[in-house]
Amino acid sequence: DQQVKQNSPSLSVQEGRISILNCDYTNSMFDYFLWYKKYPAEGPTFLISISSIKDKNEDGRFTVFLNKSAKHLSLHIVPSQPGDSAVYFCAASVSLSKTSYDKVIFGPGTSLSVIP
Amino acid sequence: ETGVTQTPRHLVMGMTNKKSLKCEQHLGHNAMYWYKQSAKKPLELMFVYSLEERVENNSVPSRFSPECPNSSHLFLHLHTLQPEDSALYLCASKSRLAGLSTDTQYFGPGTRLTVL
Repeated sequence: DQQVKQNSPSLSVQEGRISILNCDYTNSMFDYFLWYKKYPAEGPTFLISISSIKDKNEDGRFTVFLNKSAKHLSLHIVPSQPGDSAVYFCAASVSLSKTSYDKVIFGPGTSLSVIP
Repeated sequence: ETGVTQTPRHLVMGMTNKKSLKCEQHLGHNAMYWYKQSAKKPLELMFVYSLEERVENNSVPSRFSPECPNSSHLFLHLHTLQPEDSALYLCASKSRLAGLSTDTQYFGPGTRLTVL
């Protein structure tokens, strides 16, 4: 039973347009969310994150929106570039875990293709 | 260069073989993770070591045996694997500040394992 869902396995977008990647979660205890990007033959790399006390976080072309009531977040990339073509993973965690580490739950990923 | 390296990058082994995957980080991190990524599935957390102590074993079969001899090195010993164990095995590390979990994980490039 997946706690973090990315229902679109793939997405194609024209260069220069907006890419919107969606993510839904089921565990209301999650209060910290991250997006990772993964190129083939490389490990995932951190892209952007958001705390549940915010509803928006922006970093350059990347913006993450959080809707806590809907348990939904989205990543917007604008303008999209061919170099953005990769697999994007949504992830969630409980930031104030009582353990000495945190447990990040990943979604299955969405493969984004930006067409020149 | 993420600072997390994994060797080998590719491994083909028979079901009766014994092999080991190696992960190394020189980022000064004190938590290390093993993940499994099967095709079209989310990253699955396997093991977590925090301050060289195993703190999470996510119902992983005993044919996978982790070892963390020091904070910079993490191994995954494999024996009598099954074909369904074929996957990408990712190592990650993180600096864990007390009470916070907002630092991100840094991933290695992964080992692509094929079990014949």
